[in-house]
Amino acid sequence: EAQVTQNPRYLITVTGKKLTVTCSQNMNHEYMSWYRQDPGLGLRQIYYSMNVEVTDKGDVPEGYKVSRKEKRNFPLILESPSPNQTSLYFCASSRRQGLTGELFFGEGSRLTVL
Amino acid sequence: QQPVQSPQAVILREGEDAVINCSSSKALYSVHWYRQKHGEAPVFLMILLKGGEQKGHEKISASFNEKKQQSSLYLTASQLSYSGTYFCGTKDPEIYGGSQGNLIFGKGTKLSVKP
Repeated sequence: EAQVTQNPRYLITVTGKKLTVTCSQNMNHEYMSWYRQDPGLGLRQIYYSMNVEVTDKGDVPEGYKVSRKEKRNFPLILESPSPNQTSLYFCASSRRQGLTGELFFGEGSRLTVL
Repeated sequence: QQPVQSPQAVILREGEDAVINCSSSKALYSVHWYRQKHGEAPVFLMILLKGGEQKGHEKISASFNEKKQQSSLYLTASQLSYSGTYFCGTKDPEIYGGSQGNLIFGKGTKLSVKP
């Protein structure tokens, strides 16, 4: 089954404790992206990647890191999480860099930073 | 720059029609529409490319007016299953002329369809 898989789905952590949210897609997609969703603000892009070893900042990259060492994986790293990073995170992928097709979203990861 | 959606929320009775608008202060290369049901991930509806095209998905259609830098989503004879938040997404034309790059979403329009 074609899918984007995120882990963990739910996480409660404390300020400053490094964490990684993994994202993996099995569709051989070139493009991958991370969004965060907060009430009233919609989906805001954190980082995106057009292909392996190519990443770019989105609108809200501060406090996050990403890497794209393999085509299928695009982990989101919070080196020192803070309460303002409490949010619902979505990973998404698309077949082509040009985004002329559908974005497939993962089921989301709800993160709470205390 | 985030596209602007209107209205922010709309409540309908089953069978009624609705229009959701998406506008940008920048020239648009394409407009993407998604629907997100409560507690779920966004799901793709359609993409419109510049050229004033219209597309349809079930009883949901959309138009894209490149000159006006806006798109409208039309929901006809709404069903209970149409309830959710609708997002439009646009690509920055300053990044490779809009042919690549990131997709910026609006804040969403919450649609509630009542029986």
